[in-house]
Amino acid sequence: NAGVTQTPKFRILKIGQSMTLQCTQDMNHNYMYWYRQDPGMGLKLIYYSVGAGITDKGEVPNGYNVSRSTTEDFPLRLELAAPSQTSVYFCASSYPETRRNEQFFGPGTRLTVL
Amino acid sequence: GDSVTQMEGPVTLSEEACLTINCTYTATGYPSLFWYVQYPGEGLQLLLKATKADDKGSNKGFEATYRKETTSFHLEKGSVQVSDSAVYFCALRPSNTGNQFYFGTGTSLTVIP
Repeated sequence: NAGVTQTPKFRILKIGQSMTLQCTQDMNHNYMYWYRQDPGMGLKLIYYSVGAGITDKGEVPNGYNVSRSTTEDFPLRLELAAPSQTSVYFCASSYPETRRNEQFFGPGTRLTVL
Repeated sequence: GDSVTQMEGPVTLSEEACLTINCTYTATGYPSLFWYVQYPGEGLQLLLKATKADDKGSNKGFEATYRKETTSFHLEKGSVQVSDSAVYFCALRPSNTGNQFYFGTGTSLTVIP
């Protein structure tokens, strides 16, 4: 199993540009999450999904959109990039059945908006 | 609401020193508790977990005990190594929904030879 994979690893955007961060997992997890990690800070939840076709907002959803058409994929879309969106973005997934199960993280995408 | 409060860093220790990183939580019911580690340039990896009161999670020489009476889950290691240098995150998964995890702000640990 590859686990959780994210692309790209790095990206520089100009203000106002748009892009999609890709996330794929091959563990058949129903739950998937997007976090951002700002320097010296913890993780903040942007969006999450409990299954294909179902998404919900987290703590900091403004400026982002997500979709979940398949169990495996959970892309994050930035429509009009702003400098405040400079961050490291992590995708994660987990089993849904019990509260004992941990999240599995991808390697992250480092995004800079100039 | 549910939350995790974690000891602020950075922490710098000499090799073979003892480590304690404090973590306390606020939650209703019986959440599950986790410690994640993030090595430089990498994503978070699960270090250990505990799912009920008095459980002790352990891995790679690290330990943490789920203390409901003090709502704590402190991370400890008796003798740290240079390779333990990383950022450590305490996290909570609520007992009611299971949809969201709550992470602490992270504690950076540097171990010097």
